[in-house]
Amino acid sequence: TQLLEQSPQFLSIQEGENLTVYCNSSSVFSSLQWYRQEPGEGPVLLVTVVTGGEVKKLKRLTFQFGDARKDSSLHITAAQPGDTGLYLCAGTNTNAGKSTFGDGTTLTVKP
Amino acid sequence: GAGVSQSPSNKVTEKGKDVELRCDPISGHTALYWYRQSLGQGLEFLIYFQGNSAPDKSGLPSDRFSAERTGGSVSTLTIQRTQQEDSAVYLCASSSRRSGANVLTFGAGSRLTVL
Repeated sequence: TQLLEQSPQFLSIQEGENLTVYCNSSSVFSSLQWYRQEPGEGPVLLVTVVTGGEVKKLKRLTFQFGDARKDSSLHITAAQPGDTGLYLCAGTNTNAGKSTFGDGTTLTVKP
Repeated sequence: GAGVSQSPSNKVTEKGKDVELRCDPISGHTALYWYRQSLGQGLEFLIYFQGNSAPDKSGLPSDRFSAERTGGSVSTLTIQRTQQEDSAVYLCASSSRRSGANVLTFGAGSRLTVL
């Protein structure tokens, strides 16, 4: 079974602060996705990373895939209250079909 | 449709009753997934359908859980003799898998409460 561990589990910060969320595994993945979920909704895709060492930027969000494709990080610069939500990482191997999800990081950004 | 549609959005039932949850995936998506999510937690894989292949049922927690996908489109997740521990949000997702990376589009979920 491929497991993904996310840390921290909970994060509460003030508006304007920076933060990093980590997603780690002992398994290698062919691709990794980050999703954001708001209460009462399903997760929504933020980014997909497929190449070891890849860095992708989405406005104030920076995503990195580890060189060995076993881990990833999400960095948010100058967090805003609108960033509040549950952040989930998910790893996939092409042959396995299904995606394995981490337990999520609940982020609260206070105004 | 434009997105993944799930029904009902909320279901309250009594322990021991059977429930059916429905998922309408995005038209043309060949892959369909069911996940379960407890409050504020990550997603627990239940079952995966890909085209005409045999479904991957490895995540179903017990034989009270079953799912089918008719005509390669709509899927129904059935829970028989519900227990209180079955209370959770059941999320359905679909994927086209064209790009190789497994990008899932989720519905809003069906919240099940077993009294």
